[in-house]
Amino acid sequence: DTGVSQDPRHKITKRGQNVTFRCDPISEHNRLYWYRQTLGQGPEFLTYFQNEAQLEKSRLLSDRFSAERPKGSFSTLEIQRTEQGDSAMYLCASSRTGTGVETQYFGPGTRLLVL
Amino acid sequence: QKEVEQDPGPLSVPEGAIVSLNCTYSNSAFQYFMWYRQYSRKGPELLMYTYSSGNKEDGRFTAQVDKSSKYISLFIRDSQPSDSATYLCAMRVTNAGKSTFGDGTTLTVKP
Repeated sequence: DTGVSQDPRHKITKRGQNVTFRCDPISEHNRLYWYRQTLGQGPEFLTYFQNEAQLEKSRLLSDRFSAERPKGSFSTLEIQRTEQGDSAMYLCASSRTGTGVETQYFGPGTRLLVL
Repeated sequence: QKEVEQDPGPLSVPEGAIVSLNCTYSNSAFQYFMWYRQYSRKGPELLMYTYSSGNKEDGRFTAQVDKSSKYISLFIRDSQPSDSATYLCAMRVTNAGKSTFGDGTTLTVKP
């Protein structure tokens, strides 16, 4: 299977701890997106990269959140000093631009629970 | 008020029924309209996309966009138990970039 993969799939942490999630996009996909989804809600956009460049960040992305895509391949999303309100599913999606209408392929998500 | 509003459901129908799922939106700049299906504990999967107004058909699925009313619909014909999932509408201003999602409608198709 060469779809988008995310690691870990589940994370339980205590309030105040730092957590880091990883996303591996589909090979040769130049765009990578992070979304957050809480129970009963649709995904909310957080940020996206084109290759290594972070092109847009949502106002939802507070200073405690940082994302990187250092070599234009995998990406990491770090949350510092986690809060209970950070509990959510963190979804990664990738796409390849320049091939018609962009299709974003989603990974299975990382489910975060902050106690 | 959210930019994209979706009928919350849940929706329960018998197998073989025609299902209608709907979203309204407020941002007239949206031009690309998508429907995703999400199974429990999985990521969303793109079902269909439509550019601007009009209809698009793919097998048992038909997507409709009415930009004048800011209203989009997804119809599922001959619904199957395997169609049971949460359906999310999503929209974009540009061909590529961030999508704005509705909150989803949970559909159950009973055998």
